[in-house]
Amino acid sequence: SSELTQDPAVSVALGQTVRITCQGDSLRSYYASWYQQKPGQAPVLVIYGKDKRPSGIPDRLSGSSSGNTASLTITGAQAEDEADYYCNSRATSSHHLGVFGGGTKLTVL
Amino acid sequence: EVQLVETGGGLIQPGGSLRLSCVASGFTVNSYYMSWVRQAPGKGLEWVSIIYPNNSTYYADSVKGRFTISRDNSKNTLYLQMNTLRAEDTAVFYCGRNLMVQGVTYFDQWGQGTLVTVSS
Repeated sequence: SSELTQDPAVSVALGQTVRITCQGDSLRSYYASWYQQKPGQAPVLVIYGKDKRPSGIPDRLSGSSSGNTASLTITGAQAEDEADYYCNSRATSSHHLGVFGGGTKLTVL
Repeated sequence: EVQLVETGGGLIQPGGSLRLSCVASGFTVNSYYMSWVRQAPGKGLEWVSIIYPNNSTYYADSVKGRFTISRDNSKNTLYLQMNTLRAEDTAVFYCGRNLMVQGVTYFDQWGQGTLVTVSS
C-alpha cells in the first residue's frame, strides 16, 4: 500500500466545488505536489509547494495542507477537470525517491 | 520549449532486457534531477529511479539490482537499462524532470511515455 492515501473516486456537479485529499505522515513536514492525468496522456503538474501553480494552470485549482492531510480544491469544476489526480511528496521510507498516492478519479456530473 | 521524448519500449519476453531513452530539448539533463516513473495498465504512478546532478542514483526496491539509470550529456539523453524483466514490469514508462522545493522533489516536465510489455 502507498504511504500516501487518496480516495479512489470523487464526483462533483458542474460548477460546484470539490476537494480531493491525500493523507500521509510525511505531509506533516513536507508539501504535496498534485498531478492531473487524462486518459491516454502523461501527468501534468498542477500544484506544488505552498499552493503554487505552474503557468497555464487555472486559478480555480488550489492547494492546502493541514496536519497529515494535503488537499487539492477545484472551485467551480468544469468538464475539462474530469481526470485522475495524484498527490506526491517525500517518502518516509526513502530520502531520495518520493512517493505517489494511489490516485483519485474525479467525475464531473 | 522544454520537451522530453521517450523511445525504446516494446514487447519483450520475461527475463529479457530493454533500454529506454529519453531525449531532452530546451534544457540540459545534467543540470537537473531526472527520473523514471512507471504506470502499470489501469494502475497508479510508481517512481522507479532518480539520478542527481552529481550522478548519484537511487531505485525503488521493486527494481533495485535489475534497472540502471544513466545519462549521456553529449546527447542530452536519459536512459533506463532494464534487465531480467518480469511480467509485473509491464507498464508505460515516463521520464520526468525534477525540481526540489523545501525538501520535496516534484515533476515539472513529463515525457509522453513509452509502453513496455513483458510477455511470452
